Amino acid sequence: GQNIDQPTEMTATEGAIVQINCTYQTSGFNGLFWYQQHAGEAPTFLSYNVLDGLEEKGRFSSFLSRSKGYSYLLLKELQMKDSASYLCAVRPRGFQKLVFGTGTRLLVSP
Amino acid sequence: DAGVTQSPTHLIKTRGQQVTLRCSPISGHKSVSWYQQVLGQGPQFIFQYYEKEERGRGNFPDRFSARQFPNYSSELNVNALLLGDSALYLCASTPLLGDYEQYFGPGTRLTVT
Repeated sequence: GQNIDQPTEMTATEGAIVQINCTYQTSGFNGLFWYQQHAGEAPTFLSYNVLDGLEEKGRFSSFLSRSKGYSYLLLKELQMKDSASYLCAVRPRGFQKLVFGTGTRLLVSP
Repeated sequence: DAGVTQSPTHLIKTRGQQVTLRCSPISGHKSVSWYQQVLGQGPQFIFQYYEKEERGRGNFPDRFSARQFPNYSSELNVNALLLGDSALYLCASTPLLGDYEQYFGPGTRLTVT
């Protein structure tokens, strides 16, 4: 089975850097996804990691360590519009579904 | 290009009723997945369809069923509604099976009273 853990809530200041962690216990997966979800809206894709290491995409970066069962999403130069929930998800090997964590609600203040 | 579309946007039903939710994938996408998202939780997988065949089913009771049509649109049906079925129902599409980014629709907010 899969068990994905994320902090429930985080707060940060505009312009700062924040790291949202995701730990998982799973028997195997192909890739790890990060999605952003604003309140009342659909999740939108942020990043995908299949190999260990850091993937950078503008202000957002995502890191994966399979040996440690750990991923993080790094958000730089925070903006007010980054206030949202951030969802970590894996696609278990042999399955097409995504298994999501409960999400981390990020609140960015001025 | 239009994204994933879902209808209706909002729906209020009473316990015991039946509901049908609709989804149209992005043009060219052949796979549709359905997720249920309860407030404060991540989406939970319900079904995946590819080329009109069920390719995956989550841990949901038989009251939940779905189908995919030749034009790749999909319907999710829920019978004998319970209060606990109140949630945001999300549809996501991908072009093929595999490790593709899932594009989510805006969802249908179902309230069961």
